Amino acid sequence: QVQLQESGPGLVKPSQTLSLTCTVSGDSISSGSYYWSWIRQPAEKGLEWIGRIYTSGSTNYNPSLKSRVTMSVDTSKNRFSLKLSSVTAADTAVYYCARGTVGDIWIPPTLWGLGTLVTVSS
Amino acid sequence: QSVLTQPPSVSGAPGQRVTISCTGGSSNIGAGYGVHWYQQLPGTAPNLLIYANSNRPSGVPDRFSGSKSGTSASLAITGLQAEDEADYYCLSYDSSLSVYVFGAGTKVTVL
Repeated sequence: QVQLQESGPGLVKPSQTLSLTCTVSGDSISSGSYYWSWIRQPAEKGLEWIGRIYTSGSTNYNPSLKSRVTMSVDTSKNRFSLKLSSVTAADTAVYYCARGTVGDIWIPPTLWGLGTLVTVSS
Repeated sequence: QSVLTQPPSVSGAPGQRVTISCTGGSSNIGAGYGVHWYQQLPGTAPNLLIYANSNRPSGVPDRFSGSKSGTSASLAITGLQAEDEADYYCLSYDSSLSVYVFGAGTKVTVL
């Protein structure tokens, strides 16, 4: 059974860089026609698409975050990562990693991690 | 504020049918981009209910159905059950913003 697990600091200081990793277990990150995404959700609020990455390294970022976001993939370690720079309190949220499918029809993420709460505070 | 508008809440008695609307515009739903629906139970990650307007992933009960017309889409839940009490989000692509956008979410309450 394929599973995703987010990991990283739960507390980040303002102006610093948030760094999260999503480890894929149960299958190779390179298998199948998938993309790997990050989505976040502030407390008691809705979902926000951060971006996605393919195992080729190709990325698509939310334009509102593009100047601060970097995603990468490490196929040797079966994981992908998110970096968000110059964080503020507005970046406090639960961060989810998720897997979606590309093919004849684009399918949004069906496999999600449990999510990890990142708080931005001094 | 999202470019996809959902009602904040809907409610219904057990066994009833409820619908949740997702209204967009010419740069998203009206442009032909697919609409997808998620259910999020409290404290859990979202679960995909409908993709590409009306397709159900395996394992999703047929009580859930989706439709799309013009610049709007709808999620219908028939035979409402207590376990359906959750937040529901629509998702589509917006070509003006060049990003996938979620609706603000609709809380379904089972009376």
